[in-house]
Amino acid sequence: QLQLQEWGAGLLKPSETLSLTCGVSGGSLSGHYWSWLRQTPGKGLEWIGEINHNANSNYNPSLKGRVTILTDTSRNQFSLNLTSVTAADTAVYYCARGLGRLHCNGGTCYSPPLNWGQGTLVTVSS
Amino acid sequence: IVLTQSPGTLSLSPGERATFSCRASQSVGSRYLAWYQQKPGQAPRLLIYGASTRATGIPDRFSGSGSGTDFTLTISRLEPEDFAVYYCQQYRSSPPMYAFGQGTKLEIK
Repeated sequence: QLQLQEWGAGLLKPSETLSLTCGVSGGSLSGHYWSWLRQTPGKGLEWIGEINHNANSNYNPSLKGRVTILTDTSRNQFSLNLTSVTAADTAVYYCARGLGRLHCNGGTCYSPPLNWGQGTLVTVSS
Repeated sequence: IVLTQSPGTLSLSPGERATFSCRASQSVGSRYLAWYQQKPGQAPRLLIYGASTRATGIPDRFSGSGSGTDFTLTISRLEPEDFAVYYCQQYRSSPPMYAFGQGTKLEIK
């Protein structure tokens, strides 16, 4: 059974870098889309970005320039780095695996997040 | 991409029919519209994708419909475990991007 688990620092100061890892068990990274999402009471659910089966990544334009998502196939995990955090980045962060490559266009595919981790709270405060 | 869900809160009793609305700011390919359910303290759960296709294991009391800018999620007969928050989600392919509506809370009347 596929399971995803997020971990990383839960408390950051403004301007620091948020680093989270998602460990995947019960399945391989290969052939799937892997996403990071976050949720705040104020802004709701927000897609941060994804990395696909070709190790190509796509990011939310509102965060582009601050976000990097990478895979580590040897450890069966993928990671999120978000630089220059502010209080607005305080959220519950989720990792997720996509449903599958449903509709593909120009080297990327529609793959709505299906399997989610339990989420981890990251707080940014001075 | 802006998705507007209505109503903000829906108060119904078990056994009743629930209808959730999702309106997109621009026309959306129906194959790129999904619905999620989220209960307190849990991650969202994919219910519907492609506007009308139920994800594996989702009961058939859940159904989705719509096209263009207007989409609907219907729960035909509410069970106690259905009371939760429901989100619609839209995908744009160029450049790739997912957006969520603000959610509709389904509460017990």
